[in-house]
Amino acid sequence: GAGVSQSPSNKVTEKGKDVELRCDPISGHTALYWYRQRLGQGLEFLIYFQGNSAPDKSGLPSDRFSAERTGESVSTLTIQRTQQEDSAVYLCASSPVPGLAGGSYNEQFFGPGTRLTVL
Amino acid sequence: LAKTTQPISMDSYEGQEVNITCSHNNIATNDYITWYQQFPSQGPRFIIQGYKTKVTNEVASLFIPADRKSSTLSLPRVSLSDTAVYYCLVGGDTGRRALTFGSGTRLQVQP
Repeated sequence: GAGVSQSPSNKVTEKGKDVELRCDPISGHTALYWYRQRLGQGLEFLIYFQGNSAPDKSGLPSDRFSAERTGESVSTLTIQRTQQEDSAVYLCASSPVPGLAGGSYNEQFFGPGTRLTVL
Repeated sequence: LAKTTQPISMDSYEGQEVNITCSHNNIATNDYITWYQQFPSQGPRFIIQGYKTKVTNEVASLFIPADRKSSTLSLPRVSLSDTAVYYCLVGGDTGRRALTFGSGTRLQVQP
């Protein structure tokens, strides 16, 4: 079946511009997550959606970052007035209903990521 | 969320068994131990999860001692394609549900 997809795969933008990153989770997955990964680093949590609600936005680094999810499906991460330090790979993951699913707890399925480069 | 400590990097040769140990001294009673694998230019992929003792699947084995303060991921007979970063995570099925990734262990398999 189809996995998590993200678009665009690569995005180059100029400092100060706004960007939108899209995530299409696995159909039926209620939970959706955004992470950021800088070169050579681990993943940094940004935001978590359960359905269309975001009970945890604690990882968003500044008010330039926002995200929404509609129809308990696609999610968009928006970065306004991009800065060079925003350059990273932005990863989206989805997870089925909370609890034990398929024999594992909270298994997250990751997309391929969007590589953002801010010049 | 329990903090994990694992080696930054490891080297191995094809055909060898690789054991990566992770320390998680502050693991909570309801925490599970999960390992993810990440290849370059890809998102992480779930490998294995356990609570105690030993778990084995088609990819790896996970050894967890009785005190659960550490765990060891065992990869049998590695190949070049096992070159990746391996992340150890601990967490339960309640609460925030976001995963806390450290820097992981970069495994390099040589021919």
